[in-house]
Amino acid sequence: EPEVTQTPSHQVTQMGQEVILRCVPISNHLYFYWYRQILGQKVEFLVSFYNNEISEKSEIFDDQFSVERPDGSNFTLKIRSTKLEDSAMYFCASSMEAVSNKGTQYFGPGTRLTVL
Amino acid sequence: AQSVTQPDIHITVSEGASLELRCNYSYGATPYLFWYVQSPGQGLQLLLKYFSGDTLVQGIKGFEAEFKRSQSSFNLRKPSVHWSDAAEYFCAGAKAAGNKLTFGGGTRVLVKP
Repeated sequence: EPEVTQTPSHQVTQMGQEVILRCVPISNHLYFYWYRQILGQKVEFLVSFYNNEISEKSEIFDDQFSVERPDGSNFTLKIRSTKLEDSAMYFCASSMEAVSNKGTQYFGPGTRLTVL
Repeated sequence: AQSVTQPDIHITVSEGASLELRCNYSYGATPYLFWYVQSPGQGLQLLLKYFSGDTLVQGIKGFEAEFKRSQSSFNLRKPSVHWSDAAEYFCAGAKAAGNKLTFGGGTRVLVKP
């Protein structure tokens, strides 16, 4: 069964460093998402991406964050200058259709980011 | 603003007993609703989803959920729990015109032998 994969599973970085989290969505999916879960808090939406552009983003997704689909298979989340409060589990998801069109989002296993 | 609430943070249930996890939503209109499960080290796996129509929805692993508009609820049930059902369960909603999921806080289920 196709699945969303994410690398690395755990990333440790120093405050102020740039990190890139990588995701390989399900191959025929068209919509891509990043969510994050800070320890002890809810899973929260960061950004959705469709047709090579951001379709929606949350207030969390400020200028420090960017997303890219550099080729036909990868979807990346970059944090330019990490802060302590960026420490969280980051989930990538993909879907064939938008939720508004009764699409279902499929999630990867997550990347745990620890900022020291 | 839309929200999803899971009132129970932890539930402990004996193997073979029934399980019900509560989920309440607050949306201006009927949202689309989902239940996901997360086992340790795993991603969020979809258990079932509700878009419209029949209010009793069947999912994988023997789970079902019932949409009750009058109670703004979408509770998840399983008649007989197996040890492998120990995991964290997340309820999520989305506006019918939107594309982002709003998650509840999750309920961690422990299964006693």
